[in-house]
Amino acid sequence: GENVEQHPSTLSVQEGDSAVIKCTYSDSASNYFPWYKQELGKRPQLIIDIRSNVGEKKDQRIAVTLNKTAKHFSLHITETQPEDSAVYFCAATPLYNNNDMRFGAGTRLTVKP
Amino acid sequence: EAQVTQNPRYLITVTGKKLTVTCSQNMNHEYMSWYRQDPGLGLRQIYYSMNVEVTDKGDVPEGYKVSRKEKRNFPLILESPSPNQTSLYFCASSLGGSQPQHFGDGTRLSIL
Repeated sequence: GENVEQHPSTLSVQEGDSAVIKCTYSDSASNYFPWYKQELGKRPQLIIDIRSNVGEKKDQRIAVTLNKTAKHFSLHITETQPEDSAVYFCAATPLYNNNDMRFGAGTRLTVKP
Repeated sequence: EAQVTQNPRYLITVTGKKLTVTCSQNMNHEYMSWYRQDPGLGLRQIYYSMNVEVTDKGDVPEGYKVSRKEKRNFPLILESPSPNQTSLYFCASSLGGSQPQHFGDGTRLSIL
């Protein structure tokens, strides 16, 4: 089955700086890669996703890049703000079993004002 | 408002006392799933359901049961809870497995 590793586990940045979170996956058949943000005490919410036929996707200050050859994908947050502080989870779903969504262990991002 | 509703939100109980966590969605989604969230382990899938009467095991199904008798409901059953099932549980629904998932607000279970 799919195995997703996420780094770093914690990340602290100054407001206005950029933050990058990286995930690697094991199954080359994976084709759907979502990112979820979970604020303290709240439910995970989708912030951006990418499919394997696309190399990069942007939505305002956030972007996701996918390198299928290296089997890794990254979340980029630019001009970070204190409200970006949260735990971020990546996930991957293999094509042959798209019900088998595997999540990374999460990254706790802290943006210092 | 589109939502996934879980109940209860919090529960403290004792080992061996059967409990059910309900999950209901109002988006007519075919796909529903249950996850548990533990520190340092992320979200791990317990069971999922692709449609009414169709369920399958996820990554950590031991000690849990589910049922899907109606499209909107997907209860999680712990027949004989044990302390290692103390965790934060999330129900989610989506149009399919490779689609954005909508999570409920979570249920924090403590098994003493």
